[in-house]
Amino acid sequence: ETGVTQSPTHLIKTRGQQVTLRCSSQSGHNTVSWYQQALGQGPQFIFQYYREEENGRGNFPPRFSGLQFPNYSSELNVNALELDDSALYLCASSRQGRGDTQYFGPGTRLTVL
Amino acid sequence: QQQVKQSPQSLIVQKGGISIINCAYENTAFDYFPWYQQFPGKGPALLIAIRPDVSEKKEGRFTISFNKSAKQFSLHIMDSQPGDSATYFCAASPDSNYQLIWGAGTKLIIKP
Repeated sequence: ETGVTQSPTHLIKTRGQQVTLRCSSQSGHNTVSWYQQALGQGPQFIFQYYREEENGRGNFPPRFSGLQFPNYSSELNVNALELDDSALYLCASSRQGRGDTQYFGPGTRLTVL
Repeated sequence: QQQVKQSPQSLIVQKGGISIINCAYENTAFDYFPWYQQFPGKGPALLIAIRPDVSEKKEGRFTISFNKSAKQFSLHIMDSQPGDSATYFCAASPDSNYQLIWGAGTKLIIKP
């Protein structure tokens, strides 16, 4: 059973650019959640995807968008990057249904210059 | 109402000692309270979790104590080891599979 994987590991972009981060969910998991973790802080929920639809969203602007594919992998897209978008972006996968646990990937470190 | 407050921000404990980290929440709809351990450069890993129908849960050296009336919960690490040195996060959610609201983290250092 493979765990949650994310790519790329690190990324450097400049303000105004767009970025796509990728996540492969753990085998058997159909739900993906994305979190943003700024340096020295706890993660903040961005959104969750289930059956290729957004299934809840945190307090993030529309320039943060996502996709989930039929194989349950997911992408996080961020447009018009701002300096404050510099963070560790975490993906967590789980099985939909009450009581299941979210398992986190290693994250993608995004630096915006 | 959505906040989870965690303390202390950092903690130094001697090897073999007990590490205690505390969290408090406001939202009574929260029904799931996990603790995560995060090493530098890694994603958070679930350590132990509790639901409000029990006041304590123990797994090996790790224990969660839960006080529903005070809306507080804590993590106790017994016989702390240098390998336990990491950042610990408490979190809360209406359900384990829904958005987690996280504390700010506690950086734990175990001195040999």
